[in-house]
Amino acid sequence: AQRVTQPEKLLSVFKGAPVELKCNYSYSGSPELFWYVQYSRQRLQLLLRHISRESIKGFTADLNKGETSFHLKKPFAQEEDSAMYYCALSGTGQAGTALIFGKGTTLSVSS
Amino acid sequence: SQTIHQWPATLVQPVGSPLSLECTVEGTSNPNLYWYRQAAGRGLQLLFYSVGIGQISSEVPQNLSASRPQDRQFILSSKKLLLSDSGFYLCAWSVRFTGEQFFGPGTRLTVL
Repeated sequence: AQRVTQPEKLLSVFKGAPVELKCNYSYSGSPELFWYVQYSRQRLQLLLRHISRESIKGFTADLNKGETSFHLKKPFAQEEDSAMYYCALSGTGQAGTALIFGKGTTLSVSS
Repeated sequence: SQTIHQWPATLVQPVGSPLSLECTVEGTSNPNLYWYRQAAGRGLQLLFYSVGIGQISSEVPQNLSASRPQDRQFILSSKKLLLSDSGFYLCAWSVRFTGEQFFGPGTRLTVL
């Protein structure tokens, strides 16, 4: 079954500390993985996707097929990074290109 | 540029009343359209998706239905709302055959 698991509901860190939001997936093919972010009172928006291999707002994520993981990392957290983060998988089959989302992790960065 | 609209932004409805939420997309043609429900602690649940006018696929059995009367219009409906229908409903679109989706601002539905 296709599934995305984000084990942490809440991650609290201090400003300047490293951040790692965990994401594991289950998929029986070649997945496309995404990280979406929802800041307070804003729309859910794409943060990054694994195929682009770019760093957005200091965040990076590497697809590890051996560990079936796509963890989101940032070396130095900022207060403006506080948001809800969703890991998502692009699946196939009945839902076409519909995304399968994890339950989300709330990141709270305090000074 | 492409934009996606949803309305209303918030809605409070009594149990047993009907529901109609509307989503429209501008600036693109033949998009895939999606309805999700976002619940606290449960993430985003895909409810319906559509790859064309009149083509609706349901991901989970429920008290809701969806329709796509026009290429860029997607409607979420219910004949009789249940308490469990309360939640935050998101509409999204994507270019066909790509995984990236673009989300609307959402509708907060409270059923009392």
